Amino acid sequence: EVQLVESGGDLVQPGGSLRLSCAASGFSFGSYWMAWVRQAPGKGLEWVANIKLDGSEKNYVDSVKGRFSISRDNAKNSLYLQMNSLRVDDTAVYYCGRQQGWGRFDPWGQGTLVIVSS
Amino acid sequence: DVVMTQSPDSLAVSLGERATINCKSSRSLFYSSTNKNYLAWYQQKPGQPPKLLIYWASTRESGVPDRFSGGGSGTDFTLTISNLQAEDVAVYYCQQCYSLPYTFGQGTNLEIK
Repeated sequence: EVQLVESGGDLVQPGGSLRLSCAASGFSFGSYWMAWVRQAPGKGLEWVANIKLDGSEKNYVDSVKGRFSISRDNAKNSLYLQMNSLRVDDTAVYYCGRQQGWGRFDPWGQGTLVIVSS
Repeated sequence: DVVMTQSPDSLAVSLGERATINCKSSRSLFYSSTNKNYLAWYQQKPGQPPKLLIYWASTRESGVPDRFSGGGSGTDFTLTISNLQAEDVAVYYCQQCYSLPYTFGQGTNLEIK
């Protein structure tokens, strides 16, 4: 069974840092682009970042460029999101997703909640 | 960035009836080299992650009931749910997969009338 499990969400103060992890199982992790998508409480979906099979290409939404960094460890079947200089508007459930084809996401993990508040 | 606009924001349909959700993109999602529209639909039930229903505008994901169908091309797309079931209550999102940054519609909340 294909499974993605996120972890690392927490309450953090504005300006703080957090590292999210996503453990993948049930598929050949190194054969897929992977992505992070977030959802603020009661709001819609926002693509955050994605990373190529071997980590050689990374893309970010403008609002997180220079603050967030996506990475992966194919030997550990794991995806990461390092989040620095966190802002209140980064508060959201962060989902990792396997990217299929040109950018559809399937499946998604259950998500991990990040709350940025003083 | 490609702006995705869904209509309506919310919709109430009787059991067994048809629900139609519209999605409009600010630029064409049709790629002539592949003859495909790079538009996906997702279903999100309360407390759950989104689930992929349809991709390439009209290709149903494996395991998705055939009462879900997608249509449209270019900039205008529809998701149709026929014979509405109680378990179809959810928020539905369209997403353009054509260019970065990938963007989603604001969502349509589907309820039972």
